Amino acid sequence: AQKVTQAQTEISVVEKEDVTLDCVYETRDTTYYLFWYKQPPSGELVFLIRRNSFDEQNEISGRYSWNFQKSTSSFNFTITASQVVDSAVYFCALSEPYSGGYNKLIFGAGTRLAVHP
Amino acid sequence: DGGITQSPKYLFRKEGQNVTLSCEQNLNHDAMYWYRQDPGQGLRLIYYSQIVNDFQKGDIAEGYSVSREKKESFPLTVTSAQKNPTAFYLCATGLADTQYFGPGTRLTVL
Repeated sequence: AQKVTQAQTEISVVEKEDVTLDCVYETRDTTYYLFWYKQPPSGELVFLIRRNSFDEQNEISGRYSWNFQKSTSSFNFTITASQVVDSAVYFCALSEPYSGGYNKLIFGAGTRLAVHP
Repeated sequence: DGGITQSPKYLFRKEGQNVTLSCEQNLNHDAMYWYRQDPGQGLRLIYYSQIVNDFQKGDIAEGYSVSREKKESFPLTVTSAQKNPTAFYLCATGLADTQYFGPGTRLTVL
């Protein structure tokens, strides 16, 4: 069965530190998508990135970068020079085929990141 | 303003009452979803709809009902049959395998 594991429940860093959030997934599908979402204290989930299983190229967006490695079934997320505004819960998710042609999202339990001034 | 709106932001319910959570979108997305989030946990799928007048049960549909009479709206009713309804409820829309979320409704049963 598909599964997403975020082993780090909480991470606490001081501003300007780099931090990596780990995500390990399990799937038998050859085609799938991986996602990262940010949930700030307000509660809304903010979409950060989607990755196709056939594209292992790492991606960088400003201070955010993602490392996708199929060999280890990992999709890790790094924040460089963290800021207080990065404090949030971060969710990794995996899509799996569901009924009726719909792709269901399987979420990890989330990692709570606290960035202190 | 484009996006997904959920109302109310906070909702209090007495035991035995049904309540309806609103979700509206103007993104013109066909698919809509309802998720439940409990403290310290990820999201679990309640119901989803891919087109108007059609919807399917997710993993935890018991005690919930939905309707999809128009593309823009996907209300969720939490019935008295739901044994532990206190949670944070998130609505989402979907486009090309990516889901976008609303601000959520926090439901508390008194």
